[in-house]
Amino acid sequence: DAGVIQSPRHEVTEMGQEVTLRCKPISGHDYLFWYRQTMMRGLELLIYFNNNVPIDDSGMPEDRFSAKMPNASFSTLKIQPSEPRDSAVYFCASKLRDRGTWNEQFFGPGTRLTVL
Amino acid sequence: GEDVEQSLFLSVREGDSSVINCTYTDSSSTYLYWYKQEPGAGLQLLTYIFSNMDMKQDQRLTVLLNKKDKHLSLRIADTQTGDSAIYFCAEEARSFMNTGFQKLVFGTGTRLLVSP
Repeated sequence: DAGVIQSPRHEVTEMGQEVTLRCKPISGHDYLFWYRQTMMRGLELLIYFNNNVPIDDSGMPEDRFSAKMPNASFSTLKIQPSEPRDSAVYFCASKLRDRGTWNEQFFGPGTRLTVL
Repeated sequence: GEDVEQSLFLSVREGDSSVINCTYTDSSSTYLYWYKQEPGAGLQLLTYIFSNMDMKQDQRLTVLLNKKDKHLSLRIADTQTGDSAIYFCAEEARSFMNTGFQKLVFGTGTRLLVSP
């Protein structure tokens, strides 16, 4: 398997623009996670899905952020409108459900977002 | 709430041992983890320890867990320049939605610099 795939790898946009980040999880994985990494706050869980259903979005910073998972092989994280403080690296991760044995989360390479 | 703390920076010489420390707050954490992040890449699981263990050794890596003090450490023996990276400690925490899924809470990461 190619691992978790994220696109784009880098995104530079202007304040106020809409940004869409994309993720393809590892095939067959049950869970998908979106994280944000900043120098100030470290790595934060934004939202996660189980079998395409959003389960816990308590980490989503505000209404400007939304995430969808229309099918098992694709998820998006959208920021509208974007602000400079949204600049960060956004990671997607996926994992199999724990069935008797624990399964690790596999991380994608991340999308570096810069909002000017 | 859950919180994980790490020192931000560690510098060692090649061949020395490195010890990275972490404190966590959730006493119910079942597993504790160490992840490695190389420049421009996502997080990669290095090792993990179950909460009923005091120590786990895996080749050059030794994990020590002090549950009483909620202290976790990662020792890297014979540190190499290729070990230069950011190391994250993570604990499991019950998802706010209490779905039974253990979400990961990460520390801010310790940047390890290994000089020749």
